[in-house]
Amino acid sequence: AQSVTQLDSQVPVFEEAPVELRCNYSSSVSVYLFWYVQYPNQGLQLLLKYLSGSTLVKGINGFEAEFNKSQTSFHLRKPSVHISDTAEYFCAVIANTNAGKSTFGDGTTLTVKP
Amino acid sequence: DADVTQTPRNRITKTGKRIMLECSQTKGHDRMYWYRQDPGLGLRLIYYSFDVKDINKGEISDGYSVSRQAQAKFSLSLESAIPNQTALYFCATSEAGTGVAGELFFGEGSRLTVL
Repeated sequence: AQSVTQLDSQVPVFEEAPVELRCNYSSSVSVYLFWYVQYPNQGLQLLLKYLSGSTLVKGINGFEAEFNKSQTSFHLRKPSVHISDTAEYFCAVIANTNAGKSTFGDGTTLTVKP
Repeated sequence: DADVTQTPRNRITKTGKRIMLECSQTKGHDRMYWYRQDPGLGLRLIYYSFDVKDINKGEISDGYSVSRQAQAKFSLSLESAIPNQTALYFCATSEAGTGVAGELFFGEGSRLTVL
């Protein structure tokens, strides 16, 4: 079984500031890692994913995340946020056995202020 | 048109009523899921189906049932709705197969209020 902990439930930042949303996971098997974003009144969409290879992955809208196996973390970063980045962000994991189901964290609400 | 379509998008009902939420997809994926979202609790899996003849309970299946009518259709039923089933419900799909990551594709959600 897997579990996901998003360490911050709410992150307020000013526009053009950098931001980091933190995600730790636990699993007894190897996993794939995802960040999804949910804009107000919309469904979730994929922001980026880590499957294998380079530990730094780049996603849409200028976001990137770094997989750290020793720390079992997959933190999401953006060097300069925009008002339009205001949304809820979910970290998720799935076992890489093709038989797994995604497990989600509780979400982090990012609020970008002018 | 959306690849994963949920109906209705909003529904208000009364305690004890039967409710069905429907999901259809044009992505051609075998796997379909129903999740429930509550504030501060993330997404919790209600039921999932890896093909038409495969139905599995998720972590919070009590009070819910599902039907996989075809590869493209997966419906969620609340036989007798209660107020604590008030939530935002999401249908999602994913591919299957070796080397596939299992990325989820979501509908836009069905907001259910049980009075």
